[in-house]
Amino acid sequence: DAKTTQPTSMDCAEGRAANLPCNHSTISGNEYVYWYRQIHSQGPQYIIHGLKNNETNEMASLIITEDRKSSTLILPHATLRDTAVYYCIVVGTGTASKLTFGTGTRLQVTL
Amino acid sequence: NAGVTQTPKFRVLKTGQSMTLLCAQDMNHEYMYWYRQDPGMGLRLIHYSVGEGTTAKGEVPDGYNVSRLKKQNFLLGLESAAPSQTSVYFCASTHGGGGFTEAFFGQGTRLTVV
Repeated sequence: DAKTTQPTSMDCAEGRAANLPCNHSTISGNEYVYWYRQIHSQGPQYIIHGLKNNETNEMASLIITEDRKSSTLILPHATLRDTAVYYCIVVGTGTASKLTFGTGTRLQVTL
Repeated sequence: NAGVTQTPKFRVLKTGQSMTLLCAQDMNHEYMYWYRQDPGMGLRLIHYSVGEGTTAKGEVPDGYNVSRLKKQNFLLGLESAAPSQTSVYFCASTHGGGGFTEAFFGQGTRLTVV
């Protein structure tokens, strides 16, 4: 499974959009991009995933570049409750594929 | 629908003691995972299972054993606990291979080895 690179930390003002980047330059054709977040010390929570098209759900939007080597998670109107560590993960679909986490981006939403 | 349940939630062990952490899921998921998370770090995969009766090593398997005798349960064992195993342990499950579907996580087990 491909590795990912994320900034260690980011700040965002409440009500503004939070744009969290992720680099996955070694991604292969059958690998998906997943985003999870971990609030305080709770178990990680699924946010969104995609293969090559941009995706949107009630929580966030995922923008994947055309070459698929990077992506951006967008929280359109960040709130204090969005303060968390955000993990970008690349996962294949084979039986040997497994979820491996990096260190993620710590997003701090401030007033 | 309980999702993924971990037992116990907290535990303090003495060095050399053994214990088993239980992960139970009620979603009929094939894949299950055990992770550990040290302070300020990301999750590291210990062992995982792609189906009943199967297990495989992850990134940090030493000092741990696992079993998947029933599809809904994934057990993590520490035969002789060491202070280095003080951590928060998370279990997760997915329907199919990692890329097919979202993972559901338990709330964690906080283990302290003294």
